[in-house]
Amino acid sequence: SYVLTQPPSVSVAPGKTARITCGGNNIGTKSVHWYQQKPGQAPVLVIYYHSDRPSGIPERFSGSKSGNTATLIVSRVEAGDEADYYCQVWDSSSDQGVFGGGTKLTVL
Amino acid sequence: QVQLVQSGSELKKPGASVKISCKASGYTFTTYAMNWVRQAPGQGLEWMAWINTNTGNPTYAQGFTGRFVFSLDTSVSTAYLQISSLKAEDTAVYYCARFSPSGDHFDYWGQGTLVTVSS
Repeated sequence: SYVLTQPPSVSVAPGKTARITCGGNNIGTKSVHWYQQKPGQAPVLVIYYHSDRPSGIPERFSGSKSGNTATLIVSRVEAGDEADYYCQVWDSSSDQGVFGGGTKLTVL
Repeated sequence: QVQLVQSGSELKKPGASVKISCKASGYTFTTYAMNWVRQAPGQGLEWMAWINTNTGNPTYAQGFTGRFVFSLDTSVSTAYLQISSLKAEDTAVYYCARFSPSGDHFDYWGQGTLVTVSS
């Protein structure tokens, strides 16, 4: 089955830029989506199709993809951005969803 | 506005069964498929299955066949997850999540239902 790999944790100072990576075999051929999950809450879609934002998501959230890695970029990080972030793809060969293991973003 | 409202927390003994509901509102239920996602305590998200809300046909992830049954009642815009022969390792929060129009990501989520299996 398809595997997505994320770093367990990323730390960043307020006002700086956080980059959370998501690696997978031939991920360049797949659409990558990102979710934010705060403690005790349901996940929220923050980026879809690598770099599109749903309405209501701040422009500080963006995404990119290059080679075998997709990246969620959070600019001008705020304390309220502290959360777990998950990447996700749809594996069309098996018709199944796949999540990365999640990355805990800590704001120092 | 789109809402997915799940049933409340459940405490069950090993070997029992549980049925969780996910009631959709704010859109036509049969237009978008529904997914189920599990999150064990302190763990990440695990995709379980998607169900075609027109046909009721589910597609399961490995590890969620047999004891897990995904169903619908389109007359009340509700999806269900039933788990039988519960085990301690089934303790988790279960989320329903609507498929996006493109059918490859999840644009709306329920609030989650905690199922605790303990003797």
